[in-house]
Amino acid sequence: DQQVKQNSPSLSVQEGRISILNCDYTNSMFDYFLWYKKYPAEGPTFLISISSIKDKNEDGRFTVFLNKSAKHLSLHIVPSQPGDSAVYFCAAKAGGTSYGKLTFGQGTILTVHP
Amino acid sequence: EAGVTQSPTHLIKTRGQQATLRCSPISGHTSVYWYQQALGLGLQFLLWYDEGEERNRGNFPPRFSGRQFPNYSSELNVNALELEDSALYLCASSLTSMNTEAFFGQGTRLTVV
Repeated sequence: DQQVKQNSPSLSVQEGRISILNCDYTNSMFDYFLWYKKYPAEGPTFLISISSIKDKNEDGRFTVFLNKSAKHLSLHIVPSQPGDSAVYFCAAKAGGTSYGKLTFGQGTILTVHP
Repeated sequence: EAGVTQSPTHLIKTRGQQATLRCSPISGHTSVYWYQQALGLGLQFLLWYDEGEERNRGNFPPRFSGRQFPNYSSELNVNALELEDSALYLCASSLTSMNTEAFFGQGTRLTVV
């Protein structure tokens, strides 16, 4: 039972354009959502998060949008840079559990072309 | 400040053997989490230790076990290795268990032949 899904295995974008990564979830108990970035041979690094009481959170070039009614969140990267090329994981935490006990999506490989 | 460190980086074992993976959390962090990332899959939650106690485990068989030591470092043991245990095993730590995000180590690549 895949409770967090990233339906696009890969995304290719031109440098300077917008990258939009999508994530869907099924568990209504999720109350906190995170995006992690992972380079080869490294562990995932935290990028940005959003609480279920919000619908948008911004941090520099990165913005996460949450649509609770659709159980959908997206990560926007503007403008995209070649250094953003990595695997992006969407993750969710259920209410009352630890911030380290997460349910992850399968990941989306983002490639930003110069 | 040193991040989460894991050892070894790579480990090759034969089917049926036991594997031991180690994790040192960020200094001051008391919670440690273990995840498995099999090829083509997302990270799957394995185990959570806090203050020396196992707090939760994911949907994995009992041959996956571990412990947390008084210095908060942790060990993951996988007994009776199977070929499908081949994966990247990631450890993460957090300052507390309930209100801080977790930071990941670089992982241990376990290959079972």
